Amino acid sequence: NAGVTQTPKFQVLKTGQSMTLQCAQDMNHEYMSWYRQDPGMGLRLIHYSVGAGITDQGEVPNGYNVSRSTTEDFPLRLLSAAPSQTSVYFCASSYSVAGDGYTFGSGTRLTVV
Amino acid sequence: ELKVEQNPLFLSMQEGKNYTIYCNYSTTSDRLYWYRQDPGKSLESLFVLLSNGAVKQEGRLMASLDTKARLSTLHITAAVHDLSATYFCAVDIPSGGGADGLTFGKGTHLIIQP
Repeated sequence: NAGVTQTPKFQVLKTGQSMTLQCAQDMNHEYMSWYRQDPGMGLRLIHYSVGAGITDQGEVPNGYNVSRSTTEDFPLRLLSAAPSQTSVYFCASSYSVAGDGYTFGSGTRLTVV
Repeated sequence: ELKVEQNPLFLSMQEGKNYTIYCNYSTTSDRLYWYRQDPGKSLESLFVLLSNGAVKQEGRLMASLDTKARLSTLHITAAVHDLSATYFCAVDIPSGGGADGLTFGKGTHLIIQP
């Protein structure tokens, strides 16, 4: 049971490049979400999904796109990377009532130069 | 808009001492979570509190939730160096029978010195 798997673990992008951060879970969780963590800011919600085919915006969605075609996968796309998107990104998943809490992936450390 | 405030944001304490971290939130919710994060690592779930008056304990850590006061506390008893980490509280708002994501406090950076 792998839990929540994020790839890559590290990435350096040039301004304007695009990329996709991958997130996969094998726990059959309905809910998945993306957060970014910046020093002194805690974690902030980017996008979330309550099930396959359903996504919605969180607190800081600008510059990011998501889709949820399967229960297992919830990729985060940066269409045109900016230095302000330099951050550590975490994916999390949970059951519908979150009684067991949210399980987090190991994170992706992204640097945009 | 849900806001979550933790205090203190930084805490340096000696081994063997007791201390409490406070987490206040602005909107009614009965779902609060505590996480631990070590430097360069992911978030480790410590406690899930899902009702008013909930109290959970694990080792030297005890968490409680008062939904009427919109307050949760994380109490550390007889601190040891291994508890040095950053601690986050987070709240979610039930929606449509499910959960839509967490709002986090900014974290409490805890250093425990011998």
